[in-house]
Amino acid sequence: NAGVTQTPKFQVLKTGQSMTLQCAQDMNHEYMSWYRQDPGMGLRLIHYSVGAGITDQGEVPNGYNVSRSTTEDFPLRLLSAAPSQTSVYFCASSYPSGEEQYFGPGTRLTVT
Amino acid sequence: GDSVTQMEGPVTLSEEACLTINCTYTATGYPSLFWYVQYPGEGLQLLLKATKADDKGSNKGFEATYRKETTSFHLEKGSVQVSDSAVYFCALKKAGGFKTIFGAGTRLFVKA
Repeated sequence: NAGVTQTPKFQVLKTGQSMTLQCAQDMNHEYMSWYRQDPGMGLRLIHYSVGAGITDQGEVPNGYNVSRSTTEDFPLRLLSAAPSQTSVYFCASSYPSGEEQYFGPGTRLTVT
Repeated sequence: GDSVTQMEGPVTLSEEACLTINCTYTATGYPSLFWYVQYPGEGLQLLLKATKADDKGSNKGFEATYRKETTSFHLEKGSVQVSDSAVYFCALKKAGGFKTIFGAGTRLFVKA
């Protein structure tokens, strides 16, 4: 089992550029989430999905889009990058009945 | 709304010292409580959990007891090692709910 994988590990973007952060899991988890981690603020939920074809907004969804066409994949799209989106992004997955979340290794994004 | 507050870091200790990281929560009902650990360059992983009042979670020498009367879930370890250097996150999840709410994280440095 690879668990939760994320690519890329590091990325530098210029303001206004767009990109997609990839997330995949091989545990057949129905629930998947995207978080951003900023110093002193813990993890904040961006978007989440409770199954293929179903997504919803978290606390800080502005500037991000998601889709869930398969159980395994949950990409996060930055539409027009801004310096405020400089952060570390984590993808996580879990079973519907489970309490524990399984996290990927993260993507460190810098927007200049 | 529901929230988690944990002590600010960084916490710096010498090897074999005792560790306590304070965590208090605000939530309606009876949430499950968690400690996650993030080692340098990695994603979060579950360290321990407790699902009801007076439960004690334990793992790798770490312990935390769910105290409903003080709404607390303090993390303790009797003798820390250099390998325990990491960021520790306290978190809660409501029964039947999707979202996990994380504290801001406490960075621990252990010196040899």
